[in-house]
Amino acid sequence: KAGVTQTPRYLIKTRGQQVTLSCSPISGHRSVSWYQQTPGQGLQFLFEYFSETQRNKGNFPGRFSGRQFSNSRSEMNVSTLELGDSALYLCASSIGPRQLYEQYFGPGTRLTVT
Amino acid sequence: SQELEQSPQSLIVQEGKNLTINCTSSKTLYGLYWYKQKYGEGLIFLMMLQKGGEEKSHEKITAKLDEKKQQSSLHITASQPSHAGIYLCGADGGGNKLVFGAGTILRVKS
Repeated sequence: KAGVTQTPRYLIKTRGQQVTLSCSPISGHRSVSWYQQTPGQGLQFLFEYFSETQRNKGNFPGRFSGRQFSNSRSEMNVSTLELGDSALYLCASSIGPRQLYEQYFGPGTRLTVT
Repeated sequence: SQELEQSPQSLIVQEGKNLTINCTSSKTLYGLYWYKQKYGEGLIFLMMLQKGGEEKSHEKITAKLDEKKQQSSLHITASQPSHAGIYLCGADGGGNKLVFGAGTILRVKS
């Protein structure tokens, strides 16, 4: 069974641009969560999607958004990039809602904003 | 909001030695998760603890949840180089949000 895949793995963008990251969950998984990891703030929860609906969102500005498609694949978008958005973005999938089921993480997308 | 404090921040142990990592919460714990991460890579799920007093083991790793102390501990027996990495605890911080500790860096000397 294929694991969680994230594309692209590495990305370099310029301040002010926008970026879209993609996450394909494990087959049969309906929940996808996104996380941001930085040296200063550590690992922080961005949002969770389950059956195409956002269940909850962390404390991030509106520039961070996401969506989930009917095949459970998810995308997150960051608009008007800032230098502080440079981070490792991780997604994780689970069969059902995150609190009830084990999450499996992808390898992450390393975003660098210059 | 809930905060998780991990101790120690880093740890260097000789191969074969036992070690313990602690995770203390500022609020009552309703669900506690342990993950392992290799630098710059995704997280590997280790264990999920949901009840006070619960203890789970996987290979040489054991995790316990002390609900009264709002604390969880991760114990590794007879450490091996493959145990090296960053160990993170996570908990449900309310509103279905998952919060994480800062992580404990483990190095195993062979």
